[in-house]
Amino acid sequence: QLVLTQSPSASASLGASVKLTCTLSSGHSNYAIAWHQQQPEKGPRYLMQVNTDGSHTKGDGIPDRFSGSSSGAERYLIISSLQSEDEADYYCLTWGAGIWVFGGGTKLTVL
Amino acid sequence: EVQLVESGGGLVQPGGSLRLSCAASGFTSSIYAMNWVRLAPGKGLEWVSYISGSGSTIHYADSVKGRFTISRDNAKNSLYLQINSLRAEDTALYYCAREVVFDFWGQGTLVTVSS
Repeated sequence: QLVLTQSPSASASLGASVKLTCTLSSGHSNYAIAWHQQQPEKGPRYLMQVNTDGSHTKGDGIPDRFSGSSSGAERYLIISSLQSEDEADYYCLTWGAGIWVFGGGTKLTVL
Repeated sequence: EVQLVESGGGLVQPGGSLRLSCAASGFTSSIYAMNWVRLAPGKGLEWVSYISGSGSTIHYADSVKGRFTISRDNAKNSLYLQINSLRAEDTALYYCAREVVFDFWGQGTLVTVSS
C-alpha cells in the first residue's frame, strides 16, 4: 500500500535552516513526490517535485531558499534563511496506478 | 496568470447533494489533467478525484467512489464535482488543483454537511 509518512511537527529559529522529511512506504522507494505548502487561511501552494535521484523542479516563483533532495525512500524539503511567512503546514504528495496519496503533513513553527 | 476559482459550496443536510465548480483561466485547460482535493477540519489534505485533459480517464478515492462524479467542460474551461449522498465526514474545504503534481491550486469552496 502506497503511504507517505511525515513528522507531525517541526520547529526552527528565524534565519536558520530546517529539513523536513517524507518517507515512502516499503516497495515504493523509487517514486517521485511533490511538496506543497499551506499557510494559514490560504489555499495550498506547489513548491517542487523531488525525484528519486534528488533532482527537483520548483514551481513558479518559489524562492531559492527552498530546495529538495532524496535518499533511498526519503524525500526532503530544505528551507534555509527561515522567514516568519514560512510558518505553515507542509505536505508531500505521491501518485501511481490511479491513486494520489498525501502525507499527514508537518506543521512548521518558526521561533 | 494561471487562476483556479472554486464555487458551489454551502450548507447541506445529510443525504443531500451539491455541484462544485472550478473555473480555470490563464492556460489551455483541455491539455491539463485536473483534480479535486479536500481539507476536513483538523485533518490533512485528502485527494478526492482525478480527470484527464480529455476527460477519458477518471479516478476516485475509495472514500467517495459511487457518491462523487467528476466531469469537465473544456469549452467552458470548467471542472465540476457532483457530490451526492453527503455525510457529515464530507464536511471540508474543497480545492481544485492542476495536473499530476497539483502545480496550481484554487482557494477552495466550503462544504458543510449538517442537519
